[in-house]
Amino acid sequence: EIVLTQSPATLSLSPGERATLSCRASESVGSYFAWFQQKPGQAPRILIYDASIRATGIPARFSGSGSGTDFTLTISSLEPEDSAVYYCQQRNTGVTFGQGTRLDIK
Amino acid sequence: QVQLQESGPGLVKPSETLSLTCTVSGGSISSGEFFWSWFRQPPGKGLEWIGYISSSGSPYYNPSLSSRVTISPDTPKSQFSLKLNSVTAADTAVYYCARLRCTSGCSRGGAFDIWGQGTMVAVSS
Repeated sequence: EIVLTQSPATLSLSPGERATLSCRASESVGSYFAWFQQKPGQAPRILIYDASIRATGIPARFSGSGSGTDFTLTISSLEPEDSAVYYCQQRNTGVTFGQGTRLDIK
Repeated sequence: QVQLQESGPGLVKPSETLSLTCTVSGGSISSGEFFWSWFRQPPGKGLEWIGYISSSGSPYYNPSLSSRVTISPDTPKSQFSLKLNSVTAADTAVYYCARLRCTSGCSRGGAFDIWGQGTMVAVSS
């Protein structure tokens, strides 16, 4: 099973700041990689797929980069509504998720 | 606009079979380059992929659950179902159905782009 390790576990930032979330895969997943946002009581929402393609309706402040084993989700200028847990996910071999990064906007 | 909705019992007894249905509105589960998927999330924990079926009805399962899981289509009703047998308390979770949209072929990658709202299933006597 491909293990995805996210860092940091928790991130606390202010509105307008830049957030950088990381995910490392235990082996190469190519560009078969996605990022999700999940708010309490809600289903996950896809932000990025195929490593760097923004999903429909996702604001331009969200961007994804990386390939192989190292991936980054960047939120360029935080809004209060970006408070959520963010998960990375691969579908190169089976489907697995990272353990999540909690982003608090203070 | 495609929408997904999970339904089924909210409480299942240990050793019994958990059965859920996902109803797809606004589209057919037998056409297009889509896979129809199940996930779960135990309270306070992360996401786990259970499995999916292709639009042609071929199933693919998480190896860790494959001995207990069946996912099957009901094309005329535009539904697909999940059966998980021999459940224990560890199977207590919110269960989600979702659509995988294939991007560059269907064997890898793609986008889980539409999700149901989720349904909580507790395993308890």
